[in-house]
This record gives sequence, C-alpha cells and structure tokens, in this order.
Amino acid sequence: GENVEQHPSTLSVQEGDSAVIKCTYSDSASNYFPWYKQELGKRPQLIIDIRSNVGEKKDQRIAVTLNKTAKHFSLHITETQPEDSAVYFCGHSGGGADGLTFGKGTHLIIQP
Amino acid sequence: GAGVSQSPSNKVTEKGKDVELRCDPISGHTALYWYRQSLGQGLEFLIYFQGNSAPDKSGLPSDRFSAERTGGSVSTLTIQRTQQEDSAVYLCASSSSRGHYGYTFGSGTRLTVV
Repeated sequence: GENVEQHPSTLSVQEGDSAVIKCTYSDSASNYFPWYKQELGKRPQLIIDIRSNVGEKKDQRIAVTLNKTAKHFSLHITETQPEDSAVYFCGHSGGGADGLTFGKGTHLIIQP
Repeated sequence: GAGVSQSPSNKVTEKGKDVELRCDPISGHTALYWYRQSLGQGLEFLIYFQGNSAPDKSGLPSDRFSAERTGGSVSTLTIQRTQQEDSAVYLCASSSSRGHYGYTFGSGTRLTVV
C-alpha cells in the first residue's frame, strides 16, 4: 500500500496538557483512517477511526481530524493522563488488496 | 473465540530452522492479516486473506515466508531457513469487513532467531 508519514516519532508532554500526532498520506483513494494504541508488550488496540466522509470525530478525551484536500489526519488527546503513555500508530486504507498501511508510530510520554 | 489467539507467544529457534506460527481469528471474521513488528519499528504488512479467496502475498519479504488459511479460519505463517533478521513480533489481525475496517489484533508471537 501507499506509505504514510507519521510525526513526531517521540512526544513528551506534561500531564494535563494536550498531545497532537499527525499523519500524511499520498493515496487519494484512501477512505479509512484508524488510530491504534500499543502499550509496552501488548497488542495494538483500536482507539478511534474516521472515514473520508467525515472531517472530525470525537470520543471523550480523544479526537481525530481529517483534511482530505491536504491528505493529512491527526490524533488529538486532551487532558493527558499517565495511562495515555504508549506508542500510537496511524493507519489508512483505500480498501485495496493489501490491507491497512501503518505509520512508524509515535512514542507518547506523559510527564508527571 | 472472544479474541484473536496466536501461538506460541514466544519462540526461540536456531538459525536455519523452520518455524510455524499460528493464528486463530475471531469467529466469523472473514479477513485475516499478518504483520511483522521489528524492535521499535512500525507494523509491516505481510499477507492478507479474505474468506476462501487467493491471498494477497505482496508484503512477504522473501520466498522463505509462506502462509495458508485452512477452511477460511485458522492461519499458519511458515518461515523456512530462519535468519537472524527474521527476529520480530509477528502479529495477526482479523476483521469482519472487506474494507479493512476495525482490525482486532492478537497478542503476537515473539520470534527470536539465535
């Protein structure tokens, strides 16, 4: 599948502050954009996703925004807590033959 | 089952040996995927099965890697003549859709080639 660039690779924020992770893709056919959270030694778990007919989706402290014109989407976490510390992966798919393509991940560190 | 089950959870093998990794998807999920995650790296797509259709093998890194899915359910990933660079966590995921939505991942098999 087409590559997706994810930034930053590491993000350290103070507890209570907001965190933003951004991904950029190139395939204009992409229509599904999930975010996965992977805690140390555990499986990746879907935390939020968005489809191309929606610009923003929110679930409590997390939100995802999509800009199809600019081909980027972002994960926003507000009021960060220690349990938010993990590696976050963005993914995208155009429904083609090769499944989701993932970014290289962002290691989010919440400083007490 | 309640989730995606993978076995073994850990496998240590000698260089040159063959290994088989197993994935049991969520019951009723027609789509099954294998990914590889090297230390500190992202998720590298390996292969995708949809029902009983021929799999998409475009992500397999070499001809030492192969996978099969019997009866549209359990899948086995086989690595022949293992090399040290094959050391990684191999993750399996399944989905109920054809559009790659809502993957559920297994806990993975940590493969170490010594």
